[in-house]
Amino acid sequence: QVQLQQSGAELARPGASVKVSCKASGYTFSSYTMHWVKQRPGQGLEWIGYINPSSGYTNYNQKFKDKATLTADKSSSTAYMQLSSLTSEDSAVYYCARGYGYPAWFAYWGQGTLVTVSA
Amino acid sequence: DIQMTQSPSSLSASLGGKVTITCKASQDINKDIAWYQHKPGKGPRLLIHYTSTLQPGIPSRFSGSGSGRDYSFSISNLEPEDIATYYCLQYNNLYTFGGGTKLEIK
Repeated sequence: QVQLQQSGAELARPGASVKVSCKASGYTFSSYTMHWVKQRPGQGLEWIGYINPSSGYTNYNQKFKDKATLTADKSSSTAYMQLSSLTSEDSAVYYCARGYGYPAWFAYWGQGTLVTVSA
Repeated sequence: DIQMTQSPSSLSASLGGKVTITCKASQDINKDIAWYQHKPGKGPRLLIHYTSTLQPGIPSRFSGSGSGRDYSFSISNLEPEDIATYYCLQYNNLYTFGGGTKLEIK
């Protein structure tokens, strides 16, 4: 069965960077886009962007284009999201979600990774 | 960018009852809307895609309808496990979530 296993909670200082991972299993990693979604405490869901693991093509929500960098390692079936120049506004739970269909919707989700930015 | 206006933001209903949530898009999204159930500490769960296509294993108590800019999602015969926040997602032109609807049981 499809599983997306995300890395553990992160505590980072303001101005630092953090890298969250999402290890996929149960399907051919390169065949589906991987998306990332942000949820701030008490807030709704916000799409960050996606990567096509086969080609490396990325597409970002303009709001996050200078904040998030998406990469993928086909050899380990793992997608990554790096967040840079962290501020308190980046404190949130981040989810990876696998696309399906065309246009793709989010069919499977990881369990979420809590990123806390604090001095 | 497409905006999704979801309402209500919260609602309370009785066990066995029925609730309906609506999402209005800022432009025609050609039925490219999905609905998710989200419980604390977990990733969202896909219930419906393409307006009304139920995911395998999702009870028929859940349903969706709509076209153009206007879409709705309903849960009938409410059960305790339905307590969650529900989101719509448009995927016609990039991706936009509705603001969410928190469902409580009376």
